[in-house]
Amino acid sequence: SQKIEQNSEALNIQEGKTATLTCNYTNYSPAYLQWYRQDPGRGPVFLLLIRENEKEKRKERLKVTFDTTLKQSLFHITASQPADSATYLCALVVTDGNKLVFGAGTILRVKS
Amino acid sequence: NAGVMQNPRHLVRRRGQEARLRCSPVKGHSHVYWYRQLPEEGLKFMVYLQKENIIDESGMPKERFSAEFPKEGPSILRIQQVVRGDSAAYFCASSLSGPDNSPLHFGNGTRLTVT
Repeated sequence: SQKIEQNSEALNIQEGKTATLTCNYTNYSPAYLQWYRQDPGRGPVFLLLIRENEKEKRKERLKVTFDTTLKQSLFHITASQPADSATYLCALVVTDGNKLVFGAGTILRVKS
Repeated sequence: NAGVMQNPRHLVRRRGQEARLRCSPVKGHSHVYWYRQLPEEGLKFMVYLQKENIIDESGMPKERFSAEFPKEGPSILRIQQVVRGDSAAYFCASSLSGPDNSPLHFGNGTRLTVT
C-alpha cells in the first residue's frame, strides 16, 4: 500500500542547532515533493518544492534533499529559533496528478 | 492580496443538521481542494474542483458529503445529516494551476463540532 511516513515523535532541539526532519514514502513515484509548515489552529503554509531531478534545494535557513532511490526527503532548518517551532508536513502528488497527499507531520520544538 | 478565506471559523451543529462550509480562493486561482484534519492526525484529501467541475472526489464519503465550485461565488462543502464523527477541522486550499505544477495556498480552516 502507499504510505508517507514522517517521524511520529516530536523533535526537541536547542536553539541554534540544526533540525533534521525525515519523510519516507512507499509505492509512490512522485515527480516532486513539497514541504509545509502548520501552526496550531492555522492552515499549512507552503515552504519548499523539490523536483525529482533536483538533489537539493535551499531557501534562507531551509534546505531540502530528495533521494528517489532511497524514497526519502530530508528537511533541514539551520540555526533554529524558537519561532521555528511548528508541525512540518511533507506532501507529494500521486501519479494521476490529481491530488496532493500529506504525511502526518512532525512536531518540532526549539527551546531557547 | 487576500489569501484563501474560509467561513465560518467555528461551526457547531446538532446531529442530523446540515453543515455548509465556504471557501473563497486566492483571486485568480481556479483550482480548489478540500481536506479534513482530525486532532493529532494528518490532512486527508477529500475533493479537488476546478471551476464548475469535480476533478477528483476519491477522498469524499459517497453519502451525505458534496462539494461545488460554481462559476461565480465561493466553493461550498456541504455535509448533510451530520454525525459526531464529522467533527474535525476542514481546510480549503487553492492553486493557480493543478497540484502537479503549483503549491497549495491554505485557509485557516473551519472547525466543525457536532453535538
